[in-house]
Amino acid sequence: SYELTQPPSVSVSPGQTARITCSGDALPKQYAYWYQQKPGQAPVQVIYKDSERPSGIPERFSGSSSGTTVTLTISGVQAEDEADYYCQSADSSGTYVFGTGTKVTVL
Amino acid sequence: QVQLVQSGAEVKKPGASVKVSCKASGNTFISYDINWVRQATGQGHEWMGWMNPNSGNTGYARKFQGRVTMTRNTSISTAYMELSSLRSEDTAVYYCATGATDAFAIWGQGTMVTVSS
Repeated sequence: SYELTQPPSVSVSPGQTARITCSGDALPKQYAYWYQQKPGQAPVQVIYKDSERPSGIPERFSGSSSGTTVTLTISGVQAEDEADYYCQSADSSGTYVFGTGTKVTVL
Repeated sequence: QVQLVQSGAEVKKPGASVKVSCKASGNTFISYDINWVRQATGQGHEWMGWMNPNSGNTGYARKFQGRVTMTRNTSISTAYMELSSLRSEDTAVYYCATGATDAFAIWGQGTMVTVSS
C-alpha cells in the first residue's frame, strides 16, 4: 500500500526554522496537505494544495513541493507550535493517505 | 463556516457494532463530501471512506469494505458512520471531516470508541 514517510521528530529552538519533509512516490501528481495536531485535539489544516495557507493560519507556516518530497516550513517557531504534524495526499486510485507524523519539539 | 459536532464516547464489546454521528452546522451539509478517519492511541490517521450527503453515494477504503456503512439524515444535517464486528484493534478516536476545497479542511472534535470485553 502507498505510504507517506516523515521523520519521527524535529527539535527546534524558539525563533528558529523547522522543516518537516514528507516523501511519497505519487506526490508529483497529487496535492499534499498538512495538519497540526495537539494532544487531545482534532487536527487543524495548516497548508492545502502543497503551498496554500488557510484563512487564520499564521504566515510563518509555508509549504513547498519538489519531486517526490513536500516540505512544511515553520519560520520563527513559537512555543505554541509544539505539536504533531501530518502530511496527507492520495494515491493513484484516489485513496486518501496520511503520513507517519512528525513530533515538533520547541526547546 | 461549517462546524462538525460528533456524538459522545462509546464502549462496546467485541463483535458488537457502533454508530457515530456527525452533525453539521449551517446550510452547507449537502454541499461537500463527509469523510471519516480514525486514529488509534499513539498512531497515525487511517482514512475509512467518504459519503456525498446530497446523493448518499459512498466509497469505502478497501480495509473496511463489508464492515463500515456511511449514511445520512439530511433533515437534521447529520452523517453517520457505523462499524460492525468490532474487535480490540478498532479502539480509536473516530473523526468526521469535510471541506469546500478539500476533503479534510474542517474536522469534528472526534469520538472515542473503546472495544473491550
